Amino acid sequence: AQSVSQHNHHVILSEAASLELGCNYSYGGTVNLFWYVQYPGQHLQLLLKYFSGDPLVKGIKGFEAEFIKSKFSFNLRKPSVQWSDTAEYFCAVTYSGNTGKLIFGQGTTLQVKP
Amino acid sequence: DTAVSQTPKYLVTQMGNDKSIKCEQNLGHDTMYWYKQDSKKFLKIMFSYNNKELIINETVPNRFSPKSPDKAHLNLHINSLELGDSAVYFCASSPSRADNSYEQYFGPGTRLTVT
Repeated sequence: AQSVSQHNHHVILSEAASLELGCNYSYGGTVNLFWYVQYPGQHLQLLLKYFSGDPLVKGIKGFEAEFIKSKFSFNLRKPSVQWSDTAEYFCAVTYSGNTGKLIFGQGTTLQVKP
Repeated sequence: DTAVSQTPKYLVTQMGNDKSIKCEQNLGHDTMYWYKQDSKKFLKIMFSYNNKELIINETVPNRFSPKSPDKAHLNLHINSLELGDSAVYFCASSPSRADNSYEQYFGPGTRLTVT
């Protein structure tokens, strides 16, 4: 079955620490990959996306992600987190031919301590 | 200007009632979606409409009925509400491209609480 798995459910970091959140998806052909962020009480916002081309994608707010096809992974990174990065982070995938259905991972709660 | 809007933002109601949530997008997109976010924050698609045509219908109780009067609106009607329906419901929209290379834009969500 098509699925997405996020390995870290709850991450606590101090400000200026580096961040890496894991995301793996099940094989299902051509994929489009996304990371969304949900700040407390707010709606989902797109951080970055991968459709094709350079597997290292840069998004907003200093985030980046690397698509490693052989590992079915799309990990999110940020070299130095800020308190304002405290939020819920969702990895999501659409599979080719799946009429745009976004399949989400379980989400990772990131808490950044000032 | 709000791209994807939902009303109401909060909805508290009793078991057995019927309620509707409305969604509107002003992005000119032709595909709209409903997602449910449960208490553990897990997001799952419920429905999708493309140009008023239902294209995704996940395993959702038939108490839930989406309606799309035009491609800018997608409403969700829920009959005979149950405690388990308590969740945050998100509407989203996207353009349609043959290679699926598009992103979805989400509304602010409607927090439904069934008592």
